[in-house]
Amino acid sequence: RKEVEQDPGPFNVPEGATVAFNCTYSNSASQSFFWYRQDCRKEPKLLMSVYSSGNEDGRFTAQLNRASQYISLLIRDSKLSDSATYLCVVTNDYKLSFGAGTTVTVRA
Amino acid sequence: EPEVTQTPSHQVTQMGQEVILRCVPISNHLYFYWYRQILGQKVEFLVSFYNNEISEKSEIFDDQFSVERPDGSNFTLKIRSTKLEDSAMYFCASNVGQETQYFGPGTRLLVL
Repeated sequence: RKEVEQDPGPFNVPEGATVAFNCTYSNSASQSFFWYRQDCRKEPKLLMSVYSSGNEDGRFTAQLNRASQYISLLIRDSKLSDSATYLCVVTNDYKLSFGAGTTVTVRA
Repeated sequence: EPEVTQTPSHQVTQMGQEVILRCVPISNHLYFYWYRQILGQKVEFLVSFYNNEISEKSEIFDDQFSVERPDGSNFTLKIRSTKLEDSAMYFCASNVGQETQYFGPGTRLLVL
């Protein structure tokens, strides 16, 4: 079983739409959880950390369900600039484990 | 805003040659990492480094790989005898502790 599994998409959505996707992780001892964003051929950049209570950062909402080992990301009011690959990331000790990414394309 | 830098941005080498990829982590960071991403695949952990020694390494990080912090600022990844399958984007990252890791822009390595 993969450490981190994500729906690869792609999700093609119009501007202004809401899009949501999730990931699951296999190691119940994972300590920290993140969503990173990766643009084509660029480095991963932190989008937001994910907390058990759920958290929002502007148009982005992340949820963590430790019991189900499930993390989600919701993007409201999508912008063209949200087009990217979203990487679900968990930490085990100091090591980051990445999912393969979910591709989102926002069209005008 | 401080950032991780990497050189070179691109490297082309012949199979069997040695390459050294260089990184300058953010100055007050204590933990350093190398990751790689083969084209079209996920980002994979290679190695973590703290207090001048390797703290963890993956199965990918075999005897062909080594890391070093030769001075107070640089952090290097050496591949002794490159193989075709070493072609990938190599990312350096750093952080203070169990906090967010900040990634450099990567070195694209092509082994011919």
